[in-house]
Amino acid sequence: RKEVEQDPGPFNVPEGATVAFNCTYSNSASQSFFWYRQDCRKEPKLLMSVYSSGNEDGRFTAQLNRASQYISLLIRDSKLSDSATYLCVPQGSARQLTFGSGTQLTVLP
Amino acid sequence: SQTIHQWPATLVQPVGSPLSLECTVEGTSNPNLYWYRQAAGRGLQLLFYSVGIGQISSEVPQNLSASRPQDRQFILSSKKLLLSDSGFYLCAWSVRSYNSPLHFGNGTRLTVT
Repeated sequence: RKEVEQDPGPFNVPEGATVAFNCTYSNSASQSFFWYRQDCRKEPKLLMSVYSSGNEDGRFTAQLNRASQYISLLIRDSKLSDSATYLCVPQGSARQLTFGSGTQLTVLP
Repeated sequence: SQTIHQWPATLVQPVGSPLSLECTVEGTSNPNLYWYRQAAGRGLQLLFYSVGIGQISSEVPQNLSASRPQDRQFILSSKKLLLSDSGFYLCAWSVRSYNSPLHFGNGTRLTVT
């Protein structure tokens, strides 16, 4: 099993839609999790940190299920500017900063 | 506030030539520092990380090396580039804490010809 698995997509959704991405991880010792967004040919940028069961920031909600070892990202009321690749990053020790390959989202007008 | 600078932004180098990419962090002390590479259409691959001056850990054996001559300076080098070294190189830092996220520089897009 891969350390981090994400559905690569692409997810093509209309503006205003709600979309959710799932990420599964294999390291049960992971204590914190991060979602990054990466625009084409740019560096990843931190979107959200998750230290407990979940986190919410505006239109973005992350939920963690430790028993099943997956974390989800929900985007409500999608905007055109949300189009990007979303990377899931479970964090263990400094050596275990494992990035998922990302889920590509395109929000259509 | 903390900032991370990485240069150059783009680089085209012939096979067999040397490489030196530099990264500096401002506004923090004793950061963890990282070099990642991203091949086209692929995920991020951790190359090196450092928890202090002169302390380098390599994750992937290859013809690249890293050095940390100062607390907030991280350098990626190669004596002889290969075609397979082409990619998007990203420097990142984090505070020295178990649960800290990474913060990335703008990246260097390297094309080896």
